[in-house]
Amino acid sequence: GESVGLHLPTLSVQEGDNSIINCAYSNSASDYFIWYKQESGKGPQFIIDIRSNMDKRQGQRVTVLLNKTVKHLSLQIAATQPGDSAVYFCADLRASYGKLTFGQGTILTVHP
Amino acid sequence: EAGVAQSPRYKIIEKRQSVAFWCNPISGHATLYWYQQILGQGPKLLIQFQNNGVVDDSQLPKDRFSAERLKGVDSTLKIQPAKLEDSAVYLCASSRWTNEQFFGPGTRLTVL
Repeated sequence: GESVGLHLPTLSVQEGDNSIINCAYSNSASDYFIWYKQESGKGPQFIIDIRSNMDKRQGQRVTVLLNKTVKHLSLQIAATQPGDSAVYFCADLRASYGKLTFGQGTILTVHP
Repeated sequence: EAGVAQSPRYKIIEKRQSVAFWCNPISGHATLYWYQQILGQGPKLLIQFQNNGVVDDSQLPKDRFSAERLKGVDSTLKIQPAKLEDSAVYLCASSRWTNEQFFGPGTRLTVL
């Protein structure tokens, strides 16, 4: 079936390093790809999205790259901080239905 | 702007008992979603409302789960009777536009 999956379940980095979280997807009909951050005891929080016809989008300290040829999505976090420690999910959105499908998540741990 | 409110935050019940969760979306958000998030997994959509109408309930186990949004604002999700595998975090989200869903803190359900 349609799915959004992640390559690595955990990522551990030092404060100040750049982090890269990867995601593979299978649904080519998605309109958007979205990254969410989920801290312990909280609901997912929107970070950044990218329309399916784009290759790159930048936000504040974050960049999302989309490679449709290999169906790969990545989230780059610059100068990672301890407050970035959380579980990161990629998700794909079928805009006409408003249906969000989440992948399994990557645990990011930032060491001071 | 107040976020999505959910209650209770935690609930412990025994199998075969009934339980209900409540959600108050962000004011003005016409679309409301209920998700189930099993430990270690991404959220899975259970049901989507547009105002007080159901848009998608294809993944809702209708033999035991029910949800309503009678006045197009608050919503309740009920499980009757609960099974052990229903132990999860139940997340409510709302959106004005389909691209960005705002999530509540969730209700953590433990079924013993």
